[in-house]
Amino acid sequence: NAGVTQTPKFQVLKTGQSMTLQCAQDMNHEYMSWYRQDPGMGLRLIHYSVGAGITDQGEVPNGYNVSRSTTEDFPLRLLSAAPSQTSVYFCASSYTRKSNYGYTFGSGTRLTVV
Amino acid sequence: KNEVEQSPQNLTAQEGEFITINCSYSVGISALHWLQQHPGGGIVSLFMLSSGKKKHGRLIATINIQEKHSSLHITASHPRDSAVYICAVLPTGTASKLTFGTGTRLQVTL
Repeated sequence: NAGVTQTPKFQVLKTGQSMTLQCAQDMNHEYMSWYRQDPGMGLRLIHYSVGAGITDQGEVPNGYNVSRSTTEDFPLRLLSAAPSQTSVYFCASSYTRKSNYGYTFGSGTRLTVV
Repeated sequence: KNEVEQSPQNLTAQEGEFITINCSYSVGISALHWLQQHPGGGIVSLFMLSSGKKKHGRLIATINIQEKHSSLHITASHPRDSAVYICAVLPTGTASKLTFGTGTRLQVTL
């Protein structure tokens, strides 16, 4: 089925470890973005991309890196995990930032850093 | 103060009731989104509005741009409607990004 695929669904990391959260979409969407969701707060933008080879920072980019080598994939890298990065992470895509077709979200990755 | 405020934060209703969730925002916007998130689940886009009203099944979304306010209505509510409903706005401006409310948790009981 067409959509946004996120892996893994769950992950436990030790402080200082690194890992990559994968996000792939098969809808030929140009705009892709990563959010984190924390209790009592709205989703916050980490990084986003308006097309292959183009990325930019969102509201809370510190401790995270992204790349966009293809239209389909937008991985999020945690360089040195910290307990403050314990959160639920969502990847989303759309045709453009202002797409009339709305955004498609992945199923989320629940990350715990101990 | 958050740019997007939702009310109520929590809502319990009995099956069959008419439900209204409100969203107020403080900036000029080019679009407003309503999203649904089931417990432990992903996020689903319900509506995107820039004016007027949209309807899909038992769900109706309205927006008043002048008053900076939107409502999501659920008619004949059902336990499967139990979820968190999230309002998000896209402010005007070429570099703007979606700004999210904190969500309204709805529980519909039998």
